[in-house]
This record gives sequence, structure tokens and C-alpha cells, in this order.
Amino acid sequence: EAQVTQNPRYLITVTGKKLTVTCSQNMNHEYMSWYRQDPGLGLRQIYYSMNVEVTDKGDVPEGYKVSRKEKRNFPLILESPSPNQTSLYFCASSYGSGGARNEQFFGPGTRLTVL
Amino acid sequence: AQSVAQPEDQVNVAEGNPLTVKCTYSVSGNPYLFWYVQYPNRGLQFLLKYITGDNLVKGSYGFEAEFNKSQTSFHLKKPSALVSDSALYFCAVRGPGTASKLTFGTGTRLQVTL
Repeated sequence: EAQVTQNPRYLITVTGKKLTVTCSQNMNHEYMSWYRQDPGLGLRQIYYSMNVEVTDKGDVPEGYKVSRKEKRNFPLILESPSPNQTSLYFCASSYGSGGARNEQFFGPGTRLTVL
Repeated sequence: AQSVAQPEDQVNVAEGNPLTVKCTYSVSGNPYLFWYVQYPNRGLQFLLKYITGDNLVKGSYGFEAEFNKSQTSFHLKKPSALVSDSALYFCAVRGPGTASKLTFGTGTRLQVTL
């Protein structure tokens, strides 16, 4: 089954404790992206990747890191989480190196709480 | 900078009636426009997109959207609403080019009642 998977689905952590949210897709998509969803703000793009080893900042990249060493994986790293990073996170992918014309497939989401 | 506005936080409609969810955008150049739907505790699902060509775009589950360049709008429509259409709907815009970002609106909650 074609899908985007994220782990963990739920995470409660404390301020300053490094964490990684994994994202994997099995559709051989070139484009991958991370979003956070907050009430009243919709989805905001954190980082995106056009292909392996090619990443760029979205609208809210502060406090986050990403890497794209393999085509299928696009982990989101919070080096020192803070309470304002409490949010619902979505990973998404789409085919084509441009990505601009193509619909995205979304993972099920990761609900992160930083205490 | 590109942006999307969804002016209604919530739209209420009776089952069987037509529905419209509004979206306006701002982007440099020709836009790529998308509608996504989010059901409770789920990720987003693609509904439809406008890239070029016919201004009326048909998508999944009987939804359609009309691109209006002069009004910079891309309203989502359905002739006859179903209770199962109740969900959160997001409009998104992407500017042309290979290194462009996707910008979402704040979302509109559609509530369809019997």
C-alpha cells in the first residue's frame, strides 16, 4: 500500500531533550515536506526537500533541522525542544523533482507535547 | 510572498443543499492551487488542483472548484452536501518554479446537518 508513515504518533517530552520524528514514504517520491498544524493558523511549512541531499527552509524553520540522506526518509529533528513547539506535525511527499505541480500525500500526523 | 485567505472559520449547510467554501490567494505569477480535506484524527487528503486550462476543476467525492484569476479566488463547491462531507478543508497555493513552497490557508470547518 502506498503510504507515508510517521513515528512516533504521539510524544510527550520535556524542554531541551533532543528528539527525532521519522518520516518514510514508499512511493519513490522526490519531494518531501514537514508541516506543523496549530489551531487558527492552519498548516505551516517547516522544511522541504526537492530530492536527496537537497533541503530548504519553509515558513517556520526556527528550532528544527532535517536531513535527506535517502530518498524514502525525511526525519525532523528538534535539537532542544521548547513548549512553543507543541503542535501536530505532518510529513508529506509528492512525485517529481519540481513538486510544484503535484498533489501531496500526507502521513497520519505526530502529536508532540513539550513540557 | 504568497498567501491564502479562507475568510470563514466555519460553514454550516443542510444535507442536500449546495455548499461553497471560499478561498482567495496572492502569489507572483501563475498559481498552482489545491484543496485538501482533513477528517478527524487523520492526515490531509488531496481533493483537487488547478494548474492550468479549464477554470472549473472537478475532483474527488463530487467536489469542484472554480479558478477566477481576476478575483484571485478558488472557491470549493459541491452541488449537494452530505453529512459525511463534514470535515476541515484547506486551500493551498504554490507559486511557479521548482523551488517554491506550499502555503496553506487557516482552514474552514464544514458542518453538514440533517
